[in-house]
Amino acid sequence: KNEVEQSPQNLTAQEGEFITINCSYSVGISALHWLQQHPGGGIVSLFMLSSGKKKHGRLIATINIQEKHSSLHITASHPRDSAVYICAVSHYGGSQGNLIFGKGTKLSVKP
Amino acid sequence: DAGVIQSPRHEVTEMGQEVTLRCKPISGHDYLFWYRQTMMRGLELLIYFNNNVPIDDSGMPEDRFSAKMPNASFSTLKIQPSEPRDSAVYFCASSLLGSSYNEQFFGPGTRLTVL
Repeated sequence: KNEVEQSPQNLTAQEGEFITINCSYSVGISALHWLQQHPGGGIVSLFMLSSGKKKHGRLIATINIQEKHSSLHITASHPRDSAVYICAVSHYGGSQGNLIFGKGTKLSVKP
Repeated sequence: DAGVIQSPRHEVTEMGQEVTLRCKPISGHDYLFWYRQTMMRGLELLIYFNNNVPIDDSGMPEDRFSAKMPNASFSTLKIQPSEPRDSAVYFCASSLLGSSYNEQFFGPGTRLTVL
């Protein structure tokens, strides 16, 4: 079993829809990261969080430490949001930079 | 700042050849990471440095892989000899510990194809 599981693997939405991507993990963590990988391959860090909720524009990330679960929400989705979204965790007690990655969720937003 | 710079962006080589990938981190960052991404395994950490010193190389697949960071502004990942299964996209990232947001900044990646 992977230490970081994402769902769904693939997601197709219509423009304007509210989108939720889920991430569950099985290890103790010091932080959880959400990354966005564009169709061209570039990777951008969206959020790093260790508790509660963070918001940036139309993106919202939440984490529940007790349940070992995080969600990434996109409000009013747009075709430019089409990308692969990757969840990664910093393993508590592990090396500072040792991120464990999920397999990613491929999002396609249709106009 | 230009961000993390990687070169080359694409590399095609034949099995058995030596391959050297290069990375220039963001100025002032004290952590540098090398990742590999494949369809089968996704993103994997290969090695990372703190203040030019390798901290964790447990992700380096085998002795054919080596990484160096001779100074704060340059790192290399070398594969010798290369094999077809090394074909992947290799990302370099850098970060600054102690900032309120320990974000990793990724380079554009090097797409390696070993024939």
